[in-house]
Amino acid sequence: GNSVTQMEGPVTLSEEAFLTINCTYTATGYPSLFWYVQYPGEGLQLLLKATKADDKGSNKGFEATYRKETTSFHLEKGSVQVSDSAVYFCALSARRTANAGGTSYGKLTFGQGTILTVHP
Amino acid sequence: DAGITQSPRHKVTETGTPVTLRCHQTENHRYMYWYRQDPGHGLRLIHYSYGVKDTDKGEVSDGYSVSRSKTEDFLLTLESATSSQTSVYFCAISEWRGLQSYEQYFGPGTRLTVT
Repeated sequence: GNSVTQMEGPVTLSEEAFLTINCTYTATGYPSLFWYVQYPGEGLQLLLKATKADDKGSNKGFEATYRKETTSFHLEKGSVQVSDSAVYFCALSARRTANAGGTSYGKLTFGQGTILTVHP
Repeated sequence: DAGITQSPRHKVTETGTPVTLRCHQTENHRYMYWYRQDPGHGLRLIHYSYGVKDTDKGEVSDGYSVSRSKTEDFLLTLESATSSQTSVYFCAISEWRGLQSYEQYFGPGTRLTVT
């Protein structure tokens, strides 16, 4: 089955430090890959995505590159801010396949999340 | 922001009572999902829907049922709540094009406590 493994946290950084959160995946075929962010007390927000190998997703200074050869989608930011403190989830969405009932669906498989705390 | 609301946002209930959580969307998306979020487990899929009256089980469906009578509403019911169902519940919506899904958009969550 599909799975996502994230580096364990929590991660604590000083403001303006470089951030890397590792994410590796196991999936059949060519999944889409996502990073979601969850701020305290809120739902998940899509941060960035990549739908095919070598695609780079980017948003708000964050970047991640879809590496098929290493099955990875590591999240990076060159200079973190206090406002980046949140929980980050890596996720994959499998391509749609037919199930035994003949219907088609795909599900989002999440990593366990990485807590990031940035200090001034 | 995607038009997804969840109600109630917070609920405390007693063991053995039935509970229904509601997810409402204004995006006319075909796919809707219910997840639960627990420390150390990330998000786990409970049930999902791929159209009106079309639903199927996710990975942690025991003790839960769902219904979808209209495109915009997806209900999650705990028939007889247990303490192990204390969690934060998130609804999500999505669309598909061909074999590739678009991203899922999440609601604000419902914090459920079963005492």
